This record gives sequence, structure tokens and C-alpha cells, in this order.
Amino acid sequence: KAGVTQTPRYLIKTRGQQVTLSCSPISGHRSVSWYQQTPGQGLQFLFEYFSETQRNKGNFPGRFSGRQFSNSRSEMNVSTLELGDSALYLCASRSELGADTQYFGPGTRLTVL
Amino acid sequence: DAKTTQPPSMDCAEGRAANLPCNHSTISGNEYVYWYRQIHSQGPQYIIHGLKNNETNEMASLIITEDRKSSTLILPHATLRDTAVYYCIPERDNYGQNFVFGPGTRLSVLP
Repeated sequence: KAGVTQTPRYLIKTRGQQVTLSCSPISGHRSVSWYQQTPGQGLQFLFEYFSETQRNKGNFPGRFSGRQFSNSRSEMNVSTLELGDSALYLCASRSELGADTQYFGPGTRLTVL
Repeated sequence: DAKTTQPPSMDCAEGRAANLPCNHSTISGNEYVYWYRQIHSQGPQYIIHGLKNNETNEMASLIITEDRKSSTLILPHATLRDTAVYYCIPERDNYGQNFVFGPGTRLSVLP
């Protein structure tokens, strides 16, 4: 089975812009979670989607949003980018909402200038 | 919440066993302990998980103490490619669903 894929792998934006990141889960997986990783805060949970509905949300401002499509692919959007949004954004999928094991993608490295 | 402590860094000689400890003294009775590793700037890679019994797979062994307050990940024959940050994850978020990552242990396998 192919693993979790994320596009793009690298992205450079400027403050105030918005960005959309994409994630394709492992085939058959219905849950997609997003995490942000920064040197200062480490790996932090953003939100999780299952059956096109946001199920859980971490402690992030409303500028961070996401959605999931009927084929389980997911996108996350960050509006009005700030310098502090520079991070590695990781997507993880699992088969069902209650299944514990999550499989991570390679991440998208976002740099905000 | 299960408060997790891991040593910030460890060294291991190539070919030797790497034993990575993790303390999770307040883990609840039904939470699995998961181990992931992250090689520089890549996504975390699943290694192994367990509840109360010792577990082994092709990558590693997991030893969980009987009181479940600590565990040890064992890489039996460490190679240079095992150099990574290793995360022990007994904690879940407030929804009980998603992982709470700590800072992990940076393992350096030395030639």
C-alpha cells in the first residue's frame, strides 16, 4: 500500500498570504489528522477529520482550518500567515476514528517570510 | 493525563543494543504506549505499541513494567540509520483520540 502523501513538500509564502496544504491518506483510511511541528513547541495536534467532518480540534486560532473530501483526502488552510506559522505540517491517517495507530506523511515545510 | 519523561539524548555504539527508557507514572489503565521515531525533518515513523505485555516486531522490542509506569524500547542491533528522535507516547488529547507528543529522546548511533 502507498503511504500517506502530502503536497507540496516545500512552500514559501509571505506574511498576510494564505496557504492550502493537501494530504492523501493511506488507501482505505478514513481518518486524517494534522499536526504542526516547530522547534519551540514541538509536535502539536491541529485537528482531525473523519467522514468529511471535523471531529477533534487542538488549541489553534481560527486562521487554521481544514476540510475532508468524500475520498478521504484532506486539505488544511492557513489564512493571514504570520512568521510564527513557519513549521513542518504533518498529516497522519488511521483506518477508523477509534483506531490508535496513526501513519504519518513526510510533511510540508512552510516558510513564511 | 499520563506525564511522560524521557532522557533528552542518548548515544549508542553501532551494532550494540539501544535501550530507550520512558517513564509514564500516571498512565491510565486502558491507554496503549506508542513509540514513534522521527529522522531529521521527515514524518514520524511508527515503531511499536503495547498495553501491558512485552511486544516485539521486526523493528524493535517493547518492555512494559508490570505496574505500567515505565517502558523501554529496545533496538537490538543499532545502525547509523537508527539515529533519530524517539517519542514515547502514552498520552492522548482531551478527546482521548490524538497523540500528545513530548520532546522525545535524541538517539545518536555512533560508528
